Amino acid sequence: SYELTQPPSVSVSPGQTASITCSGDNLGDKYVCWYQQKPGQSPVLVIFQDSKRPSGIPERFSGSNSGNTATLTISGTQAMDEADYYCQAWDSSTAVFGGGTKLTVL
Amino acid sequence: EVQLVESGGGLVQPGRSLRLSCTASGFTFGDYAMSWVRQAPGRGLEWVGFIRSKAYGGTTEYAASVRGRFTISRDDSKSIAYLQMNSLKTEDTAVYYCTRVVIVVDPYFDYWGQGTLVTVSS
Repeated sequence: SYELTQPPSVSVSPGQTASITCSGDNLGDKYVCWYQQKPGQSPVLVIFQDSKRPSGIPERFSGSNSGNTATLTISGTQAMDEADYYCQAWDSSTAVFGGGTKLTVL
Repeated sequence: EVQLVESGGGLVQPGRSLRLSCTASGFTFGDYAMSWVRQAPGRGLEWVGFIRSKAYGGTTEYAASVRGRFTISRDDSKSIAYLQMNSLKTEDTAVYYCTRVVIVVDPYFDYWGQGTLVTVSS
């Protein structure tokens, strides 16, 4: 079965750029989505189709996908961005989520 | 405003059944596929399955972990999606989220409900 691998944790200082990676075989051939989940809350879509932002998502969130790695980038990270982030892609009509990355804003 | 409200969770014994409901509002329910995603306590997200809109045949897809035990259905007249869970196992314990699915080249889950907790325990 297809797997997506994320680092368990990433730390960033306020105002700096955070990068969260998601790796999978030939991931660049698929579209990747990213979801943000804050403690006690439901997930929120922050990036779809590799790099598109839904309405209401700040411009500091961006995404890219090439080769075997997709990346979620948060520019000018704010304390409110502290959350778990999950990447997601499709493989043969099956949705696959990465294990999640806890972003800590120190 | 798009709203998805799950209901039907609770405590159930292993081997028993439970049906979850997802009541939708704020959009034309029949135009969208709907999906269920679960999250075990302290764990990550796990896709359960989805049901296409009637325009795409209303067919379903499931994760291997639930295929043959879980069934997703929909009632477009009531704007409700269902998750029928049979032969429940302790490992099915999770918060179950209902999501709206945007079907494009690769679908994505654009709205999520608040979730309903299912606990499978004797």
